[in-house]
Amino acid sequence: AQTVTQSQPEMSVQEAETVTLSCTYDTSENNYYLFWYKQPPSRQMILVIRQEAYKQQNATENRFSVNFQKAAKSFSLKISDSQLGDTAMYFCAFVGGDSNTGKLIFGQGTTLQVKP
Amino acid sequence: DTAVSQTPKYLVTQMGNDKSIKCEQNLGHDTMYWYKQDSKKFLKIMFSYNNKELIINETVPNRFSPKSPDKAHLNLHINSLELGDSAVYFCASSQIGELFFGEGSRLTVL
Repeated sequence: AQTVTQSQPEMSVQEAETVTLSCTYDTSENNYYLFWYKQPPSRQMILVIRQEAYKQQNATENRFSVNFQKAAKSFSLKISDSQLGDTAMYFCAFVGGDSNTGKLIFGQGTTLQVKP
Repeated sequence: DTAVSQTPKYLVTQMGNDKSIKCEQNLGHDTMYWYKQDSKKFLKIMFSYNNKELIINETVPNRFSPKSPDKAHLNLHINSLELGDSAVYFCASSQIGELFFGEGSRLTVL
């Protein structure tokens, strides 16, 4: 069975500093997608960044970047120059590319607090 | 325009009642979902429909009945509500893996 694990329930970072959120997953598939979603207090689920497993290059989106280690099945999110608006719960998610169901499997989430 | 919209956003009701949550997407996606987020914030898929056909049913009690009149709509009807049904329910749609979520509907059963 495919699983996603986020081992850090809570993290905090000072404004303007860098923080890394961890995520590991387990799958036997070779083709899949990984995502980080952000859920602020407004509860809206917002896509932060996406990585295709066949791409070796790590995805980046402005201050957000990932460290994708396919062999280790690790997918960490780095937030640079943290801002107060980054305070939210962050979910790592996996979907198998070979599956036509598009079923996303989520990790347990990491609550990130950015302190002024 | 909201890509995935669900109504109502908040719903408070008594145990034993029947309620529905509606969802519509204007993205032209083929696949729609219902996810449940419990009090611990854990997100779990409930149902998935592809072009109006049910493709995922994750051992959800049969008090929950999704209905998809067309591929742009996926409604969730819940019969005989129980206290444990209190949660936030998210509708979502996708084309190739990436999910687009609605704003969530917080259901509180008293």
